[in-house]
Amino acid sequence: AQSVAQPEDQVNVAEGNPLTVKCTYSVSGNPYLFWYVQYPNRGLQFLLKYITGDNLVKGSYGFEAEFNKSQTSFHLKKPSALVSDSALYFCAVRVYNNNDMRFGAGTRLTVKP
Amino acid sequence: GAGVSQSPSNKVTEKGKDVELRCDPISGHTALYWYRQSLGQGLEFLIYFQGNSAPDKSGLPSDRFSAERTGGSVSTLTIQRTQQEDSAVYLCASSLGRGRNTEAFFGQGTRLTVV
Repeated sequence: AQSVAQPEDQVNVAEGNPLTVKCTYSVSGNPYLFWYVQYPNRGLQFLLKYITGDNLVKGSYGFEAEFNKSQTSFHLKKPSALVSDSALYFCAVRVYNNNDMRFGAGTRLTVKP
Repeated sequence: GAGVSQSPSNKVTEKGKDVELRCDPISGHTALYWYRQSLGQGLEFLIYFQGNSAPDKSGLPSDRFSAERTGGSVSTLTIQRTQQEDSAVYLCASSLGRGRNTEAFFGQGTRLTVV
């Protein structure tokens, strides 16, 4: 079965600095990869996805993620962090032609002014 | 509906009682997922329905947990003889699951508190 690892429980960055939230995956087959964000006391919101094509995908709120097949990674990035980006971020994976979706444990991002 | 709807939004129950949590997915979505999120923690997969196929129940933590999906639409997650460790937010999501439209859309969750 597919699985996702988010190696960092917590990421702290200063406002205006670039941020990276890491994700690696394990699947048998072609992966579909996703990032979701969860603000306090809110449900999960979809940020972006990789299906096929360009390895760099752009999503909501200025976030982007790079698919790296050789490293089986899909790290989330943003060039300049905002305090309002502080939230819990989840990476998820499913396999082509299979709707079973699995999530990582989440990474709490804190952006300090 | 416009989004995934879950009810109730909050449920407080006494230990040992049974509870039912409801999920109404986005119309036309064939895939439906239940996850559990303990306070500040990650998402624990519980069960997954895909169309008329047999559900993947591999994530259900015990035989006190069960779920059904009637008519390929509404789903109910039932927890029998609730325990305090069942306290969590139960999240439902649905997905169209075809082509590029693969992302799952989440409901706001049901916060279950077992006292």
